[in-house]
Amino acid sequence: AQRVTQPEKLLSVFKGAPVELKCNYSYSGSPELFWYVQYSRQRLQLLLRHISRESIKGFTADLNKGETSFHLKKPFAQEEDSAMYYCALFGNEKLTFGTGTRLTIIP
Amino acid sequence: GAVVSQHPSWVICKSGTSVKIECRSLDFQATTMFWYRQFPKQSLMLMATSNEGSKATYEQGVEKDKFLINHASLTLSTLTVTSAHPEDSSFYICSARQPTYEQYFGPGTRLTVT
Repeated sequence: AQRVTQPEKLLSVFKGAPVELKCNYSYSGSPELFWYVQYSRQRLQLLLRHISRESIKGFTADLNKGETSFHLKKPFAQEEDSAMYYCALFGNEKLTFGTGTRLTIIP
Repeated sequence: GAVVSQHPSWVICKSGTSVKIECRSLDFQATTMFWYRQFPKQSLMLMATSNEGSKATYEQGVEKDKFLINHASLTLSTLTVTSAHPEDSSFYICSARQPTYEQYFGPGTRLTVT
């Protein structure tokens, strides 16, 4: 069975400080990993996917197969980053979500 | 980017009645659509995977006779909650997948069963 774990339900960070949202996964095959973001009163939207290796809104995430992690990072937090973040794994033809981390940026 | 719509966005129904929720991919064809359920302050739980022209695949613990899914075309999937009860009250979200495996999500439908 595939599983995604986000150990932090809530994370508060001061504006300008670095952000790291943790994500660990369990999957027997070669995983495809994503980060989704849900801003207040908006739909879930794709933030980034590991195979594209791109930086979106200053966020990056590196897949570490040895540690089975896909942590999301941003060097300098901005107030507009406050949102719910979900790590997700695509495997066995379906997307499995972690429980999410609510990120709050303190002005 | 790709857009997925859901209708209605909010529905209240009486216990025992059935409710249909529509999910449409507006600017792309989706061979696969997914239905999720989200409880307050919780993550999305996959209910079923819907492939165009074939029967839906339900996740363990999801009653297929209660949550009827139809994927009649490449742009439309429907979820019908039959004989709804208050415990079915939830936020239902659909998503549609492009061939590149990216999934785009609808805005969700809030169902309240009284």
